Amino acid sequence: DAKTTQPTSMDCAEGRAANLPCNHSTISGNEYVYWYRQIHSQGPQYIIHGLKNNETNEMASLIITEDRKSSTLILPHATLRDTAVYYCPPRAGNKLTFGGGTRVLVKP
Amino acid sequence: GAGVSQSPRYKVAKRGQDVALRCDPISGHVSLFWYQQALGQGPEFLTYFQNEAQLDKSGLPSDRFFAERPEGSVSTLKIQRTQQEDSAVYLCASKHRGSGNTIYFGEGSWLTVV
Repeated sequence: DAKTTQPTSMDCAEGRAANLPCNHSTISGNEYVYWYRQIHSQGPQYIIHGLKNNETNEMASLIITEDRKSSTLILPHATLRDTAVYYCPPRAGNKLTFGGGTRVLVKP
Repeated sequence: GAGVSQSPRYKVAKRGQDVALRCDPISGHVSLFWYQQALGQGPEFLTYFQNEAQLDKSGLPSDRFFAERPEGSVSTLKIQRTQQEDSAVYLCASKHRGSGNTIYFGEGSWLTVV
């Protein structure tokens, strides 16, 4: 299973875009990149996923490099409620492999 | 219900006690997963069911851990003779049929072994 590397923590100003990097250099060709977040005391919440192409939904945008070794989750206008731990677990088949995640603190 | 439902939400067990954690997946979801999350860490895969069949139990840490889903819907994770290192959040997740479908998580059951 692929391993991921993310910054341990990052701060973001409310209203600004938050760019969260994820390194997944060992990802295999059939593993999707998934992003989840976990707000304190809650279960992981699905955000977005992709394989090769960039993706956008109502929550965020996902930029995947051409070599698929890294990706960036973009929260276009961060709010205080976006404070959470963000994970980028690769998914092979039905198994998600979570790392330590990035603790994002959105500040007013 | 609308989401994955887990009970109990919080459980305190004395060391050596057996515990049972219940998961009610999203209606119609054939795939069900259990993950374990230690404090400050990401979730770790325990086991996976497709309907009533347990297809992968490679993540179960010891033979004290046992999961079942007898009718292909509700699942129970049982931990026998609990130890302090079993203290964690136990997350259940489910997915609709189809390899590309999203995996949705419940709120978790917080187990503290004292």
